[in-house]
Amino acid sequence: ETGVTQSPTHLIKTRGQQVTLRCSSQSGHNTVSWYQQALGQGPQFIFQYYREEENGRGNFPPRFSGLQFPNYSSELNVNALELDDSALYLCASAVGGDYGYTFGSGTRLTVV
Amino acid sequence: GEDVEQSLFLSVREGDSSVINCTYTDSSSTYLYWYKQEPGAGLQLLTYIFSNMDMKQDQRLTVLLNKKDKHLSLRIADTQTGDSAIYFCAESQNQAGTALIFGKGTTLSVSS
Repeated sequence: ETGVTQSPTHLIKTRGQQVTLRCSSQSGHNTVSWYQQALGQGPQFIFQYYREEENGRGNFPPRFSGLQFPNYSSELNVNALELDDSALYLCASAVGGDYGYTFGSGTRLTVV
Repeated sequence: GEDVEQSLFLSVREGDSSVINCTYTDSSSTYLYWYKQEPGAGLQLLTYIFSNMDMKQDQRLTVLLNKKDKHLSLRIADTQTGDSAIYFCAESQNQAGTALIFGKGTTLSVSS
């Protein structure tokens, strides 16, 4: 049973639109990471937030941005959607210094 | 650069042992993980190993690490049909896992 909740579970957007994905972490989990998992691939690191500040970023363009809030929730925003943005987006959280992240079930985004 | 490689598919019979292999390239990795992903679900942390360990056993799971060859394996004893899933090997460089670098995953199929 996961303590990380993501919403929505599925989403269809049109190319060029903007999307916001949400994640609610367990209380006390002050580190949150977002990953993009394309079909048949392993998850790719997008960025990480620690205590509401971005402290790590993967090879993703600036149109991928995020926020982390004091109530342990976070958002992933993607502007100017492209067809290749279609993927499962996973949120993962941890207590700083913990071994291993707890992942949510993901949001499946389809861009048409 | 960082890269994690896994064989893509493994098929075993129920009751047999399964061995899933992984190679990684970043010698500075301090933690190595095995995650399980069932259809439509997020990632479930199965086990992890510190880079200064050779082996870790957790019930039916045995992790072996050959740091010299940068080779990690996961053995599942008495494999059950419920073990059918995709298994991801991942590496990270610090305790909280600033970024988890994943392989493409090994699909384990268990037949009865």
